[in-house]
Amino acid sequence: QSALTQPRSVSGSPGQSVTISCTGTSSDVGFYDYVSWYQQHPGKAPKLLIYDVSKRPSGVPDRFSGSKSGNTASLTISGLQAEDEADYYCCSYGGRYTSVFGTGTKVTVL
Amino acid sequence: QVQLQESGPGLVKPSQTLSLTCTVSGGSIISGGYHWSWIRQHPGKGLEWIGYVYYSGSTYYNPSLKSRLSISVDTSKNQFSLKLTSVTAADTAVYYCARDVGGDYDYVWQNYRPDYFDCWGQGTLVTVSS
Repeated sequence: QSALTQPRSVSGSPGQSVTISCTGTSSDVGFYDYVSWYQQHPGKAPKLLIYDVSKRPSGVPDRFSGSKSGNTASLTISGLQAEDEADYYCCSYGGRYTSVFGTGTKVTVL
Repeated sequence: QVQLQESGPGLVKPSQTLSLTCTVSGGSIISGGYHWSWIRQHPGKGLEWIGYVYYSGSTYYNPSLKSRLSISVDTSKNQFSLKLTSVTAADTAVYYCARDVGGDYDYVWQNYRPDYFDCWGQGTLVTVSS
């Protein structure tokens, strides 16, 4: 069970859009629509942003959106804001009652 | 609003057993459809799923930790616990407990498939050192 692959870092200026990819395999991301995304600020617990590929929990701004194509899921942050600077992790159900996280991406707001 | 709180020793000696408890408040651990989970994060690194327990006692473990891992639930105390044996410095991490919201029901495994983590504890740092 290998970690899902994410870019180490992405950056953008305030107001721009950034997209984070999350690449798995046909046994996890590609097979199940159980992909979720989490935001983690330094020293804090992760916070749920997106679940079931593209659904947003109540209270999460609609600037955050998710999608999936094949074995790759994506998180897009539109209208980037200073408070979006954080680490982001994807997670997928891996079958046989296992879950696997992505390697994590640091988002920097320039 | 469900809240989770980890507790346990912050320092464990090598070769000993790491034991942590997660106390759930604001909701019942026997609510169907949730898996109670442990996740860890090595210093400066990413998240690693450790395992799940369902209120019935059914457990599901990360294959890489399975031989050393035990997760249990105490419904009378609304708590679930983690035990990791034969620890080394590589087990030094922040340990989080979290609630996983189940997805579709799997009739073969007779349980809800794990889906996403909606509630997290604040995390507790466990250092393995002599």
